Amino acid sequence: SQKIEQNSEALNIQEGKTATLTCNYTNYSPAYLQWYRQDPGRGPVFLLLIRENEKEKRKERLKVTFDTTLKQSLFHITASQPADSATYLCALSGANNLFFGTGTRLTVIP
Amino acid sequence: NAGVTQTPKFQVLKTGQSMTLQCAQDMNHEYMSWYRQDPGMGLRLIHYSVGAGITDQGEVPNGYNVSRSTTEDFPLRLLSAAPSQTSVYFCASSYSSPGQNGQPQHFGDGTRLSIL
Repeated sequence: SQKIEQNSEALNIQEGKTATLTCNYTNYSPAYLQWYRQDPGRGPVFLLLIRENEKEKRKERLKVTFDTTLKQSLFHITASQPADSATYLCALSGANNLFFGTGTRLTVIP
Repeated sequence: NAGVTQTPKFQVLKTGQSMTLQCAQDMNHEYMSWYRQDPGMGLRLIHYSVGAGITDQGEVPNGYNVSRSTTEDFPLRLLSAAPSQTSVYFCASSYSSPGQNGQPQHFGDGTRLSIL
């Protein structure tokens, strides 16, 4: 199985700044890496998928990078807004399951 | 579409009681799974199913049973509840296994279970 670490349990940033969240893994490199958003009392919601042969993926204000040499993915939210406040989870694919990190709780301060 | 529906949303049990957590999806997804989420532990896979009639164990299967008699439903049964099973339980589904093209998972909103 995978050991997955997300850089910090909580991250506070000012509105308008770029938030950068880190996901590090220790074992085999997965074919796919996903990022999810989870709001309090709700289930995770899928945001982005990046494949092992892709270096970078963008969707609106979101950007994900995937470095299989460093065994690391970075998740960026540009021009952050208070509505971006949530917990963000990274997940690595296995054959029949996903391995999740513990998440980073992001708070965007107005 | 309702997506993934979990019932009940909250439940309190006594040690030794049994119960079934319900999960239903209306997206005709073949793959369904159950996770538990505990503080500081992240989401951990309990059981999964790649189609009707097929189930398999995940990372933490002990104390739980599943069955998949239809594509839509994937109930999770606690046989004899223990305080260690106090957790938030999430059901998820996707068209195929996560390892196939990195299928995004659709999650329900969870069942919050307390075992006294």
